[in-house]
Amino acid sequence: QKEVEQNSGPLSVPEGAIASLNCTYSDRGSQSFFWYRQYSGKSPELIMFIYSNGDKEDGRFTAQLNKASQYVSLLIRDSQPSDSATYLCAVKGSYIPTFGRGTSLIVHP
Amino acid sequence: DTAVSQTPKYLVTQMGNDKSIKCEQNLGHDTMYWYKQDSKKFLKIMFSYNNKELIINETVPNRFSPKSPDKAHLNLHINSLELGDSAVYFCASSQASGLAGVGNEQFFGPGTRLTVL
Repeated sequence: QKEVEQNSGPLSVPEGAIASLNCTYSDRGSQSFFWYRQYSGKSPELIMFIYSNGDKEDGRFTAQLNKASQYVSLLIRDSQPSDSATYLCAVKGSYIPTFGRGTSLIVHP
Repeated sequence: DTAVSQTPKYLVTQMGNDKSIKCEQNLGHDTMYWYKQDSKKFLKIMFSYNNKELIINETVPNRFSPKSPDKAHLNLHINSLELGDSAVYFCASSQASGLAGVGNEQFFGPGTRLTVL
C-alpha cells in the first residue's frame, strides 16, 4: 500500500512568518511530487511541483525534495491570512497519484 | 473559459437511484481522472482515462462506471446509490499520464457534492 503521510494540523502561524509543511511517502519509486492548496468548499489548486532533489522556488513558495529520506516539504514565506487553507501533498510513482490527507494551515493576523 | 467543468455542482438523491456526473476539459489534455473526497477530506483516485482508454481502476464497486466518449470528456455513472456514496466527486485532467516529468500536474474541476438520502 503506497502511503503519503502529512500532519493533519492545524498548523497555526502569525502573519509574516514562515510556514513549513511536511510530507513523507512510502513508495521509493515515486518520481513526481506536487503540492495543492484547497480552500474550504473548493477544489484543489496546484501550487508547486518538483521532480528533482533539492529546492524549487516560486514566489513566496519553496518546495524541497529529498528522495533518499522520502520527504518533501513546502515552505511559505511571509505568510498571509489568505494562505489559510488545507495543503495536500501528492506523489506519483506509476500511473497512480496518491494524496496525503492534508495539513490545515491557519495564518492569524 | 473554465478549464475543467463538472455538472451538476450539487446532486441530492434517494438510495437506490442511478445518477450521472459529467466532466469536460478544454485544456487539450490527454488524461482525465475521477476522485472521491470523503467527509474527512481524504482525496482518493477512482478512475483514470488516457485518450479514451481506461488506465486506472482503483478497487471501486462496479456500481460506478466511467465513460469517455472522447479525450475531452469523462463521465461517471453510478447505479443503485448507497448512503456511503455521499461525498464530493472531483474530475481532473493532466497533459500526461506517465511516470514523471512535466505534464503530470493535475487540474481539478469545481467538484460535485453528492448527497444520498
